[in-house]
Amino acid sequence: EAGVAQSPRYKIIEKRQSVAFWCNPISGHATLYWYQQILGQGPKLLIQFQNNGVVDDSQLPKDRFSAERLKGVDSTLKIQPAKLEDSAVYLCASSTHPQALADTQYFGPGTRLTVL
Amino acid sequence: GESVGLHLPTLSVQEGDNSIINCAYSNSASDYFIWYKQESGKGPQFIIDIRSNMDKRQGQRVTVLLNKTVKHLSLQIAATQPGDSAVYFCAEVEGAQKLVFGQGTRLTINP
Repeated sequence: EAGVAQSPRYKIIEKRQSVAFWCNPISGHATLYWYQQILGQGPKLLIQFQNNGVVDDSQLPKDRFSAERLKGVDSTLKIQPAKLEDSAVYLCASSTHPQALADTQYFGPGTRLTVL
Repeated sequence: GESVGLHLPTLSVQEGDNSIINCAYSNSASDYFIWYKQESGKGPQFIIDIRSNMDKRQGQRVTVLLNKTVKHLSLQIAATQPGDSAVYFCAEVEGAQKLVFGQGTRLTINP
């Protein structure tokens, strides 16, 4: 079974530029998550989708971050404009059912963003 | 707000020894906890979980202990192997699926 795919794996941009990350969840997984992981810290949830609807975006900095999952499968996360403090690994995860045990969250390899 | 944290940021053990990684949590209402392993360049990988109505759960070479009185979790890895080198996170589950991760402990195995 293919895992969660993310691209690009690495991205370097200058502050105030824009950047987008892409995630393809495991086939059939209805729930998709984006996490931000700053170096030396645990992942922090940014947004959770159930199919193409947002379940939780309470920790998403909406003035600069946006995410969509238009067809309920792939998702993109965008940052515009980027700040230095956005340097982090952005992890995508998916799970089969939002009410299931949390061990069903499968993580992708992440995109490492460096903002200069 | 509530947070999940770890006692030690790094742990170094000899190959073959047992490892113990600790975690303190502050949300007394949490009823579900998970340990994740994260290798360099990879996303977190589920290791083992435990519900608050349990105080111990065993897996293959791993054991999780939960002490609700002092709000403490530990992960024990038996006969540590080089492949166990990674950062280990405890996570607290809020609501149905929201994971709140701690800072992480880096486990290094000495040959």
